[in-house]
Amino acid sequence: EPEVTQTPSHQVTQMGQEVILRCVPISNHLYFYWYRQILGQKVEFLVSFYNNEISEKSEIFDDQFSVERPDGSNFTLKIRSTKLEDSAMYFCASRVRLAANNEQFFGPGTRLTVL
Amino acid sequence: DAKTTQPPSMDCAEGRAANLPCNHSTISGNEYVYWYRQIHSQGPQYIIHGLKNNETNEMASLIITEDRKSSTLILPHATLRDTAVYYCIVRVGAGGTSYGKLTFGQGTILTVHP
Repeated sequence: EPEVTQTPSHQVTQMGQEVILRCVPISNHLYFYWYRQILGQKVEFLVSFYNNEISEKSEIFDDQFSVERPDGSNFTLKIRSTKLEDSAMYFCASRVRLAANNEQFFGPGTRLTVL
Repeated sequence: DAKTTQPPSMDCAEGRAANLPCNHSTISGNEYVYWYRQIHSQGPQYIIHGLKNNETNEMASLIITEDRKSSTLILPHATLRDTAVYYCIVRVGAGGTSYGKLTFGQGTILTVHP
């Protein structure tokens, strides 16, 4: 069964450093998402991406964040200058089309630890 | 998207049916009820969704009341592997100003006991 994959599974970085989290969505999917989950808190939407541009973003997704689909298969989330509060699980998700009977598939997540 | 209310936790014995309730009294006509679950710290997993009719798939059944103000997710024969956080999410099925984002609440922690 096709699945969303994410790398790395765990990333440790120093405050102020840039990190890039990578995702490979399911191959025929067209809509892509990033969510995050701070330890012990709920899953929060960050951004959705369609047709090579951001279609929706949350208040969390400020200028420090960017997304890109550089090569038609990878979907990346970049955090330019990490803060301690960016420590969280980051989940990538994808769906084939925007329809009611069409679920989002989530990846296993990347645990980001900012020291 | 309409707000949902779920109990914070529930227990169930292995092999018995787990019935997880969700209230969504402000649901509007074009909003669907979706259920996802999250096992430990894994990515959320889609379970089932419905508009107004009851639905069943290989994982679960979804019972939606006639007035659509509440629903129940039923896991017919719960196993230890069903221990997870279960999220009830109400949102439009497609289009509008939302590109499919999911708004998660705190969910219900279901613990299945041996």
